[in-house]
Amino acid sequence: AQKITQTQPGMFVQEKEAVTLDCTYDTSDQSYGLFWYKQPSSGEMIFLIYQGSYDEQNATEGRYSLNFQKARKSANLVISASQLGDSAMYFCAMREVNTGGFKTIFGAGTRLFVKA
Amino acid sequence: DGGITQSPKYLFRKEGQNVTLSCEQNLNHDAMYWYRQDPGQGLRLIYYSQIVNDFQKGDIAEGYSVSREKKESFPLTVTSAQKNPTAFYLCASNDRYIDEQFFGPGTRLTVL
Repeated sequence: AQKITQTQPGMFVQEKEAVTLDCTYDTSDQSYGLFWYKQPSSGEMIFLIYQGSYDEQNATEGRYSLNFQKARKSANLVISASQLGDSAMYFCAMREVNTGGFKTIFGAGTRLFVKA
Repeated sequence: DGGITQSPKYLFRKEGQNVTLSCEQNLNHDAMYWYRQDPGQGLRLIYYSQIVNDFQKGDIAEGYSVSREKKESFPLTVTSAQKNPTAFYLCASNDRYIDEQFFGPGTRLTVL
């Protein structure tokens, strides 16, 4: 069964420094998509970045980049120049295909604390 | 503005009562989803629907029911059979050709 693992329950980073949030996944599918979402204390889910399994280059969106290592089945999120507003929960997710169609599975999340 | 609305934001119910959570989207998306989130946890899929009049059970469907009579609406009923219904409920949708899921603001359900 497909699975997403985020091994860091909580992370601290100094403002303006970079931080890497780990994500490993397990799938036997050849075609899949990987996502990162941010969830502030308000509860909304904010889409950050997407990586397709066939994309050869790592995805980047502003200060966010996804370090995709297919052979190792890892999809780590790198946030550069951290800001106080980056303090939130971060979820790694994977899109899988089954008989019922597409569905997305989520990891347990990493809570990021940015220190001033 | 296009988006997903969930109402109400906070909901309180007595134990043993059924309650229905609303989810409406005007994004013209075919697929819609319901997730449950417990404090400090990730999202778990309750039900999803790829097309009108069809839906599939997710990983934790027991004690919940849904309907999909219209493309833009996917209400979730939390029944009295759900043993621990207090949680944060998120609705999402996506276009079949775009991978990103769009989320609603969520409903926080508390059963007293």
